[in-house]
Amino acid sequence: DTEVTQTPKHLVMGMTNKKSLKCEQHMGHRAMYWYKQKAKKPPELMFVYSYEKLSINESVPSRFSPECPNSSLLNLHLHALQPEDSALYLCASSQQGSYSGANVLTFGAGSRLTVL
Amino acid sequence: GQNIDQPTEMTATEGAIVQINCTYQTSGFNGLFWYQQHAGEAPTFLSYNVLDGLEEKGRFSSFLSRSKGYSYLLLKELQMKDSASYLCAVRDSNYQLIWGAGTKLIIKP
Repeated sequence: DTEVTQTPKHLVMGMTNKKSLKCEQHMGHRAMYWYKQKAKKPPELMFVYSYEKLSINESVPSRFSPECPNSSLLNLHLHALQPEDSALYLCASSQQGSYSGANVLTFGAGSRLTVL
Repeated sequence: GQNIDQPTEMTATEGAIVQINCTYQTSGFNGLFWYQQHAGEAPTFLSYNVLDGLEEKGRFSSFLSRSKGYSYLLLKELQMKDSASYLCAVRDSNYQLIWGAGTKLIIKP
């Protein structure tokens, strides 16, 4: 299995809703990432988990809450989002944390979020 | 500040060759990556350069000059399926990836 699976593919939510994005990989990768990507913009790093511990939080607002239940799963809990949070949310994984070799990222197809 | 520049959009003809340039200014350098992203799909890894020179992988090649802060991705024998966005990313001294905005490549028959 060489894939990163993200669900749901599309999500529409109101500003008062609570929802979650899910990400799963079975490649034995020990680092997992959440990125946010707006149209025609580069991916922006949000969070990095390395060996199931949060290692990087790029000053993301607390309305985004990551969770790594085990080495194969990564969730992003969403609460009280704003319309400007509408974007493509990409999950990625790599063999290990940032500090070694090529450390190629394998991305999921993304969850397209619309906040009304 | 850190900056990666790529052309926003390029057009090329099926069967031809196209070169997508990437220039970067980052705090340190620990490798440069090229990813391909089709609309609505995951970015997929194409190439990694950490030393100067050319890396060839089938129809795709990537070149790096660290002294010039410059890379290019060369696509040969273009096919319609090569229509996609191509993202350049540099890993800085803190081993963080700095991404370019991507180049949208349009292939015409």
